Amino acid sequence: SQKIEQNSEALNIQEGKTATLTCNYTNYSPAYLQWYRQDPGRGPVFLLLIRENEKEKRKERLKVTFDTTLKQSLFHITASQPADSATYLCALDLSGNTPLVFGKGTRLSVIA
Amino acid sequence: DAGVTQSPTHLIKTRGQQVTLRCSPISGHKSVSWYQQVLGQGPQFIFQYYEKEERGRGNFPDRFSARQFPNYSSELNVNALLLGDSALYLCASSLVLGGFGTDTQYFGPGTRLTVL
Repeated sequence: SQKIEQNSEALNIQEGKTATLTCNYTNYSPAYLQWYRQDPGRGPVFLLLIRENEKEKRKERLKVTFDTTLKQSLFHITASQPADSATYLCALDLSGNTPLVFGKGTRLSVIA
Repeated sequence: DAGVTQSPTHLIKTRGQQVTLRCSPISGHKSVSWYQQVLGQGPQFIFQYYEKEERGRGNFPDRFSARQFPNYSSELNVNALLLGDSALYLCASSLVLGGFGTDTQYFGPGTRLTVL
């Protein structure tokens, strides 16, 4: 079955730096990959979606890359702020018509 | 416009009991999905309903069931509760059944279920 690994459980960075979170998967390359933000006690909030034929997607300070050769997606937050502190989840959809498979998430703390 | 709403917010039950969780999707959304999120893990897919029909089911025992009503709201039922059912239960709505990958899902705040 498809397995997803997000690089670390927790990541601490200094305010103003770029945060880079990793999502690795095994087996089949997904048709779509999504990134979500989740705050404590809240539901996930959709951030970005990237398709298998796309290399990169940007939205304001966020950037997602997708490397099907490495079976990896990178999620970047530039000029990070304390308000960016949250858990970030990656989720895969194998075919475009299958339920999302979520990773465990990475808890990001941006220190002022 | 109101987002996805879920009730109750918190719930405490004992082993063997039954529980019903409720979800109201965003107005105009016809698809509702249910997820279970155990502490420290990502959400795990349980069910998807679209136009009142079950369109997908995750790897959960038959103790879990759900339904969708004509107004597109949904209920998740869990029978014979086990300690391991303690989790945050999330409901997500989407506009159409366009495939999970392309159709943005909007999550509710969840129901925190504790089984003692």
